[in-house]
Amino acid sequence: DGGITQSPKYLFRKEGQNVTLSCEQNLNHDAMYWYRQDPGQGLRLIYYSQIVNDFQKGDIAEGYSVSREKKESFPLTVTSAQKNPTAFYLCASSIGRSGANVLTFGAGSRLTVL
Amino acid sequence: DQQVKQNSPSLSVQEGRISILNCDYTNSMFDYFLWYKKYPAEGPTFLISISSIKDKNEDGRFTVFLNKSAKHLSLHIVPSQPGDSAVYFCAASVAYSGAGSYQLTFGKGTKLSVIP
Repeated sequence: DGGITQSPKYLFRKEGQNVTLSCEQNLNHDAMYWYRQDPGQGLRLIYYSQIVNDFQKGDIAEGYSVSREKKESFPLTVTSAQKNPTAFYLCASSIGRSGANVLTFGAGSRLTVL
Repeated sequence: DQQVKQNSPSLSVQEGRISILNCDYTNSMFDYFLWYKKYPAEGPTFLISISSIKDKNEDGRFTVFLNKSAKHLSLHIVPSQPGDSAVYFCAASVAYSGAGSYQLTFGKGTKLSVIP
């Protein structure tokens, strides 16, 4: 079955540590996205990538980094520079680069900073 | 500045009745709108969409209405079922103008509870 796999589902981090969240898709989608969800908030875009080896900052990119070395993979690193990293992180993909494309989401990764 | 607003954080409806979820937007460039449904600890799943050339789109129990002049859209669920209990997100994008950034802008969501 095609879909998006995010790992780990739950992650705990000490302050000052960088962590990397994995996102893999087998849908052959061109575009991939990372969103963050906080309680009572909508989904806010962190980074997105429309093509391999290219990515753009979203609305809240500070303290995060990404790479897109393969079409299938779009890992997100939460760095120690991110002031409030505890959140639910969602990876998504879409078939093309039009805003009319439907996003398919992964199941999410919950990061907790201790 | 919130461009997509869902002003009702929660809504409770009796099973079998109609659920109406509302969404307002401020960016007149938005021309494609979607509704997503999200269960706790899961990713959102696509429910239904509508482009700005239409004012209504229907899919089974779900109907989305778009009022461009009022910059308002609504999702109707008829009849409501307990399994519909979830958070519903409204989202919008600039899809067809050629100036879009391929991003979806989401509202904060409305938690729907369908009471048996």
